[in-house]
Amino acid sequence: GQNIDQPTEMTATEGAIVQINCTYQTSGFNGLFWYQQHAGEAPTFLSYNVLDGLEEKGRFSSFLSRSKGYSYLLLKELQMKDSASYLCAVRDRGSNDYKLSFGAGTTVTVRA
Amino acid sequence: DTEVTQTPKHLVMGMTNKKSLKCEQHMGHRAMYWYKQKAKKPPELMFVYSYEKLSINESVPSRFSPECPNSSLLNLHLHALQPEDSALYLCASSPGTGGRDEQFFGPGTRLTVL
Repeated sequence: GQNIDQPTEMTATEGAIVQINCTYQTSGFNGLFWYQQHAGEAPTFLSYNVLDGLEEKGRFSSFLSRSKGYSYLLLKELQMKDSASYLCAVRDRGSNDYKLSFGAGTTVTVRA
Repeated sequence: DTEVTQTPKHLVMGMTNKKSLKCEQHMGHRAMYWYKQKAKKPPELMFVYSYEKLSINESVPSRFSPECPNSSLLNLHLHALQPEDSALYLCASSPGTGGRDEQFFGPGTRLTVL
């Protein structure tokens, strides 16, 4: 299984940048996902990393270092609508490739 | 069609009731999932169906019974639930073909057990 850690809460100002860190331990890494979840809604896919490096998609970027068991999600030019929970999820290359294990989520609050 | 739909959106049931949650996708995905999510907690995997066969059962109590009638539909049958089973139940699907295989989530059914 995995041990996935991410900060519980972060607060930032509109227009600023926030970086959400995620560390994990796994016996066989097979991909890391970031999801955004607004209160009372379903998670929506943001990014996927399986190789080391940075993946950029508009205002959002995600970084992975497999040797360090570390990822971060970078949110740039923050907008009020970015206030949400951000979930780091790891897929283990175990007996079944379908299983995602989620971190507890980081609640980001964007202030005006 | 790139969405997962779930019905009902809300459900209130007593501990002696039998009810079913429904999930549907028309993206041709071959893997479908049930998750349970309590407030301010991450989703917890319950079941996975791969190519209409139960692939993962995360030691879920038998009062939850999944069913996959065909590749587009996934049901979760509920019977004799407990108040602690009150939660948001999320359905998801993924292509099931390896690689990125990102999961698409439905809006969820908010279940309250009285």
